[in-house]
Amino acid sequence: GEDVEQSLFLSVREGDSSVINCTYTDSSSTYLYWYKQEPGAGLQLLTYIFSNMDMKQDQRLTVLLNKKDKHLSLRIADTQTGDSAIYFCAESSRGSQGNLIFGKGTKLSVKP
Amino acid sequence: EAGVVQSPRYKIIEKKQPVAFWCNPISGHNTLYWYLQNLGQGPELLIRYENEEAVDDSQLPKDRFSAERLKGVDSTLKIQPAELGDSAVYLCASSSMTRGEQFFGPGTRLTVL
Repeated sequence: GEDVEQSLFLSVREGDSSVINCTYTDSSSTYLYWYKQEPGAGLQLLTYIFSNMDMKQDQRLTVLLNKKDKHLSLRIADTQTGDSAIYFCAESSRGSQGNLIFGKGTKLSVKP
Repeated sequence: EAGVVQSPRYKIIEKKQPVAFWCNPISGHNTLYWYLQNLGQGPELLIRYENEEAVDDSQLPKDRFSAERLKGVDSTLKIQPAELGDSAVYLCASSSMTRGEQFFGPGTRLTVL
């Protein structure tokens, strides 16, 4: 079945770049998403990439997709303390009938 | 534009009691989702509606969980009776037919004592 894996923790210093990684197993993935969840809140859609793209940039966010290795990454430039949150990778595919399959999330801690 | 609205935000009940959660999706979004999020985990789909039809309820524990989406707008998720293991955050999301991105509400945090 479909599976999405993420490392659980990442700690960076304010002003540095953060790179959050994700791997997935379903080769029929169509879209891949990054969501942000702050404590006590729902999930905020940050960005997404279609599976036939290899890069997407949106202000401080850069998404890289290596479809051959089924590897997705989210780079946050000039990381701020307000970026501290849990980041979820999710994929939708023909195998999941378009439903989202989420990873367990990566907790990003930004130190001043 | 208003986002997905959920209520209540928090609910504490004793085991074996019933509980209900309500969701109002973004206006014009005809697809509605209920997710379960356990502590330290990503959300897992419980049920998906296209308008008023439940098109995927394969992960909904039907012995105690039920859901409805009358008139294809608001939705209610019910648990009867609740068990200790049901303590979690219940998230509602919606999307439109033309754009598949899902937008989430703030969730209802359920604690079963």
